[in-house]
Amino acid sequence: AQTVTQSQPEMSVQEAETVTLSCTYDTSESDYYLFWYKQPPSRQMILVIRQEAYKQQNATENRFSVNFQKAAKSFSLKISDSQLGDAAMYFCAYNPSGTYKYIFGTGTRLKVLA
Amino acid sequence: DTGVSQNPRHKITKRGQNVTFRCDPISEHNRLYWYRQTLGQGPEFLTYFQNEAQLEKSRLLSDRFSAERPKGSFSTLEIQRTEQGDSAMYLCASSPRLAGYQETQYFGPGTRLLVL
Repeated sequence: AQTVTQSQPEMSVQEAETVTLSCTYDTSESDYYLFWYKQPPSRQMILVIRQEAYKQQNATENRFSVNFQKAAKSFSLKISDSQLGDAAMYFCAYNPSGTYKYIFGTGTRLKVLA
Repeated sequence: DTGVSQNPRHKITKRGQNVTFRCDPISEHNRLYWYRQTLGQGPEFLTYFQNEAQLEKSRLLSDRFSAERPKGSFSTLEIQRTEQGDSAMYLCASSPRLAGYQETQYFGPGTRLLVL
């Protein structure tokens, strides 16, 4: 079965520091997509960053970057220069290529301390 | 605002009643998804529409659940004979269809259902 595991229910980071959120997934597919979504309290879920499995280069979006280790089936999110507005639930998601089914992890709650 | 909208935002109902939720996707998006999210969990995929065609359904979508997307615009999700276990946030997402590219989903604010 395809699963996504986020082993950190909650993380804290000091403002301006760096934090890494972990995600592992289980699949026998070779072609797929991975995503990190952010869900602020009482607000809509938004895409943070995406990674195509066929790309070896790690995706980067401003202060957000990923460490994609395909062989290890690991997809961690690094947030640099953390800001108070980064406080939210972060979900890792997996999508096998050619399907429309997205599998989400259970989420990591990120707290940013001033 | 041209984002995904969902109505109602909150719904309280008694066990055994039927409820219907509506999702209005971003106007140029022809793909639409429904998810269910319970407390402390990530969204669980329920179903997917491409235009008016329902192309994929999760095993989670029991026979009490039905979704439609007439004319490929807005979508409705109906739950018949609600049970307390149906209490959850129901999320809708839409995305454009881009050839050869896995598009980004845009989520709505969700409808929070409480079954008493």
